[in-house]
Amino acid sequence: GNSVTQMEGPVTLSEEAFLTINCTYTATGYPSLFWYVQYPGEGLQLLLKATKADDKGSNKGFEATYRKETTSFHLEKGSVQVSDSAVYFCALSNSGGSNYKLTFGKGTLLTVNP
Amino acid sequence: ETGVTQTPRHLVMGMTNKKSLKCEQHLGHNAMYWYKQSAKKPLELMFVYNFKEQTENNSVPSRFSPECPNSSHLFLHLHTLQPEDSALYLCASSQGGGAARNTDTQYFGPGTRLTVL
Repeated sequence: GNSVTQMEGPVTLSEEAFLTINCTYTATGYPSLFWYVQYPGEGLQLLLKATKADDKGSNKGFEATYRKETTSFHLEKGSVQVSDSAVYFCALSNSGGSNYKLTFGKGTLLTVNP
Repeated sequence: ETGVTQTPRHLVMGMTNKKSLKCEQHLGHNAMYWYKQSAKKPLELMFVYNFKEQTENNSVPSRFSPECPNSSHLFLHLHTLQPEDSALYLCASSQGGGAARNTDTQYFGPGTRLTVL
C-alpha cells in the first residue's frame, strides 16, 4: 500500500534559519507528491507539488525535489520567517478507483521565533 | 464566496444529538471529500464523491452518514457519536470527474471543529 513518513517534530527555528523537513514515501507506480501547509485555525493549503521523478516544486521560497531513487520529497527553505510557523504535511496521490487518493504523513509542526 | 467553505466552524454536541456538517465548493469541481483530523494521527480519508456518486467509504462507522445532492454541496450527518469522534472534520474538492489524474490538487475548507460530550 501507499504510505508517507515525515519527521514529526516539533521543529523550532530562529528567523532566517535554514529549514529541512524530511519526507519519504512508499507507493506503487508513479505517484504525485505534495506538500500542504496548515496555519493555525485554518484548513490545508497546497504549498507545492511535483508530478514526476526529478521534478522540483517551489513556492514562497520553499522547494522540494521528487527523488524516485531515494523515494523522498524533502521540503527546504533557505531563510524562514515567523509567518512560516505552521504544520506541514507531506502527501502522495495514487490511483484509488475512480479517484486519486491522497495519503498524508502525520505532519510536522514548525515554530519560527523572532 | 470563493474556494471551499464549511459550516459550522465549531460544533459541540451530546452523544444523543443529531447534527449535520455542510461543505460547499465554488470551484466547479466534480469530486468532494470528507477527512477526519485527530490530534497526533494522520489525516484520515472518510468518503469520496465523484459526480454526486460515492466512490469511497473508508470503513467509516454508520453513525457518520454523508450526502452529496450535487457536485457543489456535501453534507456529513452525525448521530449518536462517541467522544472519540471529537476532531477537526475537513472537506476538500478536486477536479475529479472522468478525467481524474493523480496530479489533481485537492482544495480544502477551513474545517469544522467537533466536540462530542
